[in-house]
Amino acid sequence: GNSVTQMEGPVTLSEEAFLTINCTYTATGYPSLFWYVQYPGEGLQLLLKATKADDKGSNKGFEATYRKETTSFHLEKGSVQVSDSAVYFCALSDMDYGGSQGNLIFGKGTKLSVKP
Amino acid sequence: NAGVTQTPKFQVLKTGQSMTLQCAQDMNHEYMSWYRQDPGMGLRLIHYSVGAGITDQGEVPNGYNVSRSTTEDFPLRLLSAAPSQTSVYFCASRENSAANFYEQYFGPGTRLTVT
Repeated sequence: GNSVTQMEGPVTLSEEAFLTINCTYTATGYPSLFWYVQYPGEGLQLLLKATKADDKGSNKGFEATYRKETTSFHLEKGSVQVSDSAVYFCALSDMDYGGSQGNLIFGKGTKLSVKP
Repeated sequence: NAGVTQTPKFQVLKTGQSMTLQCAQDMNHEYMSWYRQDPGMGLRLIHYSVGAGITDQGEVPNGYNVSRSTTEDFPLRLLSAAPSQTSVYFCASRENSAANFYEQYFGPGTRLTVT
């Protein structure tokens, strides 16, 4: 079945450090891939998305590239800020034309703490 | 445009009690869903609906009931609360088409504690 695996946290970085959060997936069909972010006490917000192989999603300095050959969608940011402290979720939505409803399947989340 | 709203924000129940978590959206989205979030488990799909009158089970449906009588509302009912249902519950909605590649919009969540 479809699944998402992301690196376990928590991840603690100093401000201006480089961030990578690994995400790999297993899916049939042609999934879209997403990174959602959850700030403390809030719901999930879409951070970025990619809908086909080699697409790069980007937002707020974060980037992720859809790599079909390695089934990966790693999240990166060149210089993190304290305000980036949050939980990050990788997710896929299966566009299987055999009848999938495009439900989201989430990884377990990675908590990022950025220290000044 | 309020997006997706959920009530209540917090709730404490005793084992065996029933209650309904409310979810509403004003974006005219056909697809709505309920997730629960537990530490170390990510978000897991409970039930979803692709339109009024149509619902289906997700990954963890046991102990929950849903109905969809209007496009706007998708309540989640706990029939007889159990401590295992202590969790944070999120409602989400999206267009029921591939136009936005299934991007979902989430409500702020309901934190439920069952004692």
